[in-house]
Amino acid sequence: NAGVMQNPRHLVRRRGQEARLRCSPMKGHSHVYWYRQLPEEGLKFMVYLQKENIIDESGMPKERFSAEFPKEGPSILRIQQVVRGDSAAYFCASSQRQGLDVNTEAFFGQGTRLTVV
Amino acid sequence: KQEVTQIPAALSVPEGENLVLNCSFTDSAIYNLQWFRQDPGKGLTSLLLIQSSQREQTSGRLNASLDKSSGRSTLYIAASQPGDSATYLCAVRGTRTDSWGKLQFGAGTQVVVTP
Repeated sequence: NAGVMQNPRHLVRRRGQEARLRCSPMKGHSHVYWYRQLPEEGLKFMVYLQKENIIDESGMPKERFSAEFPKEGPSILRIQQVVRGDSAAYFCASSQRQGLDVNTEAFFGQGTRLTVV
Repeated sequence: KQEVTQIPAALSVPEGENLVLNCSFTDSAIYNLQWFRQDPGKGLTSLLLIQSSQREQTSGRLNASLDKSSGRSTLYIAASQPGDSATYLCAVRGTRTDSWGKLQFGAGTQVVVTP
């Protein structure tokens, strides 16, 4: 059972370009979370998705950022018109279920390190 | 609003000593608490998950305790090794509707074990 797969591992974009980050959850996991780790800072929650639904996007910047988790395929975090301040490590995590269930352990991918030049 | 604090921010010990890492959280309404390890430039590796009804979890040289009422968790690493050098993060998953599904992370404790 492969872990959470993120690609690309490293991504370089010029200011104003679009960045698309992909996350394939662990097999059997239907909950996906995106977190951002800015240099010298802790991980901050961005968005929580289930298949075809955004459950909580309270940590997403209001502009330029969007996320989806389609019925088929990976979850995508999309950043339009990137700026230097978007440079960070973006981590995806998945879990099997929510609620009072032992299977709420979150498993993280290796992250995508975005550099905006 | 949940706040997660980890003390100390950095720790250096000689090989063989036991490590004690502290995590505190302000809102006791949690489902579980998870300890992670992060190596430089790498992702997060889950070490231990403690459900809110549990007092401790053990895995090999690692033992994590949880006192939900006082908002504290401690990660003990016995007989430290240079390979234990990493940043250790604790995170809580809250039960309140505005925290549903999120992990709230502390800033981490950076550990260096010297040979």
